[in-house]
Amino acid sequence: DAGVIQSPRHEVTEMGQEVTLRCKPISGHDYLFWYRQTMMRGLELLIYFNNNVPIDDSGMPEDRFSAKMPNASFSTLKIQPSEPRDSAVYFCASSRSSGNTEAFFGQGTRLTVV
Amino acid sequence: SQELEQSPQSLIVQEGKNLTINCTSSKTLYGLYWYKQKYGEGLIFLMMLQKGGEEKSHEKITAKLDEKKQQSSLHITASQPSHAGIYLCGAYRVQGAQKLVFGQGTRLTINP
Repeated sequence: DAGVIQSPRHEVTEMGQEVTLRCKPISGHDYLFWYRQTMMRGLELLIYFNNNVPIDDSGMPEDRFSAKMPNASFSTLKIQPSEPRDSAVYFCASSRSSGNTEAFFGQGTRLTVV
Repeated sequence: SQELEQSPQSLIVQEGKNLTINCTSSKTLYGLYWYKQKYGEGLIFLMMLQKGGEEKSHEKITAKLDEKKQQSSLHITASQPSHAGIYLCGAYRVQGAQKLVFGQGTRLTINP
């Protein structure tokens, strides 16, 4: 398996623009996580899905952030409108649901909002 | 507030020296995970601890779980430049559920 695949790897956008980050989880994994990593706040859990259904979105910072998982092999995290403080590395991870199992991470998307 | 506190936040050691990184939870632990991250890359799974007193080793890295203290330690013996990176501990927040949260990370630098 190719692992968790995220795109794009790097994104530079202007303040106010819409940004969409994409994630393809590992086949057969039924949990998907979105994280944001910054120097100040570390790795924060934004939202996670089980069987394509959002379970906990309490980490989503504002209404400007939204996430969807239309099927088992694809998820998006959208920021509209983007702001400079959204600049961070965004990670997607997936795992199986059989007991406590490790999550596998993608390479991340480095977002810069100017 | 951070549910998982790691210490130290950064660490610089001489190559060949031993070191320890600690992770303390403010809530009951249901499994503790250690990951390593190199700059600009994703997190790589190192090991998982599930039972109090459990200890696991991978090459020169050993992790222990003290469930009563809600604490885990990661110990590296005879450190090498390849050990440099950010080490993060993670834990599931609710038993049986998969809300996986992480500590702030410990940035490890190995000086030759």
